[in-house]
Amino acid sequence: KNQVEQSPQSLIILEGKNCTLQCNYTVSPFSNLRWYKQDTGRGPVSLTIMTFSENTKSNGRYTATLDADTKQSSLHITASQLSDSASYICVVTSTSGTYKYIFGTGTRLKVLA
Amino acid sequence: DGGITQSPKYLFRKEGQNVTLSCEQNLNHDAMYWYRQDPGQGLRLIYYSQIVNDFQKGDIAEGYSVSREKKESFPLTVTSAQKNPTAFYLCASSRVPGQGAISNQPQHFGDGTRLSIL
Repeated sequence: KNQVEQSPQSLIILEGKNCTLQCNYTVSPFSNLRWYKQDTGRGPVSLTIMTFSENTKSNGRYTATLDADTKQSSLHITASQLSDSASYICVVTSTSGTYKYIFGTGTRLKVLA
Repeated sequence: DGGITQSPKYLFRKEGQNVTLSCEQNLNHDAMYWYRQDPGQGLRLIYYSQIVNDFQKGDIAEGYSVSREKKESFPLTVTSAQKNPTAFYLCASSRVPGQGAISNQPQHFGDGTRLSIL
């Protein structure tokens, strides 16, 4: 069964600290992996997209890594800001027949002053 | 600015009533999607459309209906047959997946409609 699991479920950190969010998947065949940021009451916004051949991609203070062999990805946030408080969603695209997006349940991050 | 507009932001449904959620995009995307988001669950696909006048059921289509008469618009109707409609509904669009490098383009999401039962 195609699944995307994220951990931790929720996380609280102090402003200025770094954090790493995890995403494990059992999706086959694999096309790409995306990280989205979703503010409360808003729609998700794309942060990064990585294909099978890419093992790291950055977007400002956000750096995503991908290990296609172990089917794991991480999102590292550097020098966190209050505006980083949001849910972070990992999405894996499968290419079995038609394209299918498999969503994780997200990690809810709270950054405290 | 190009984007996706969902309306209304909040919607209330009475017993036995059908309600329609609006989704409009000006990104010139061919593909459009409707998702349902419940607490503690990943987004679940209700319906998707890759071209005007054609749409496909997603994983949880029962109790919902859609139309795609224009490229820019993909309204979702929550019918009275949907017994548990309370949720956050998200509309998204993208270029049609599968077209080479275009498959790595992100989905663009609207800001959602929160539907509640009266």
